[in-house]
Amino acid sequence: AQKVTQAQTEISVVEKEDVTLDCVYETRDTTYYLFWYKQPPSGELVFLIRRNSFDEQNEISGRYSWNFQKSTSSFNFTITASQVVDSAVYFCALSEDDTSGTYKYIFGTGTRLKVLA
Amino acid sequence: DTGVSQDPRHKITKRGQNVTFRCDPISEHNRLYWYRQTLGQGPEFLTYFQNEAQLEKSRLLSNRFSAERPKGSFSTLEIQRTEQGDSAMYLCASSLSGQGYEQFFGPGTRLTVL
Repeated sequence: AQKVTQAQTEISVVEKEDVTLDCVYETRDTTYYLFWYKQPPSGELVFLIRRNSFDEQNEISGRYSWNFQKSTSSFNFTITASQVVDSAVYFCALSEDDTSGTYKYIFGTGTRLKVLA
Repeated sequence: DTGVSQDPRHKITKRGQNVTFRCDPISEHNRLYWYRQTLGQGPEFLTYFQNEAQLEKSRLLSNRFSAERPKGSFSTLEIQRTEQGDSAMYLCASSLSGQGYEQFFGPGTRLTVL
């Protein structure tokens, strides 16, 4: 069965600190896709990154970096030198290459990040 | 450049009333999804369209819910005889066809059933 676990419900950091958001997933498929989204207070989900199961290369985009490890079924997200504008709820999601071809998302419960000035 | 739009943004209704929400996806996107998000939870899948065909429905979608996507463009989600448990944010997303493309989400319609 598909499942995404974000064990950290809420994290508070002081501005300029680094913070890592954890994501652990479960799937029986060999082909799948992982995503991170940001949901600011305005409510709209903003796409951050997509990873397929065959690409374990870590990625860096500005202050954001992602660590994908199939051995531990984890896809963690690190924000370096956090800023107040990073305050939001962050969701990890899983999509499978199943027979239905839907590619619907299974979301985690989200991690609320509060960056204090 | 227009993203996914949803209308209305907020809807307050009384229990037992019918409501209809609209979603306009990104124009070149064939895939359209509806999700529901309750407070403190991640979005949950409701239904999926490939062009005008509704290809998958979640068990969360009771027979009071119906969705359409005529002509493969905009989509509507109707809830009949609303219940207080239907109060949630209803999110629409669209994506390109193909394997595992990212979905782009609209701002959502927040439904409150009194």
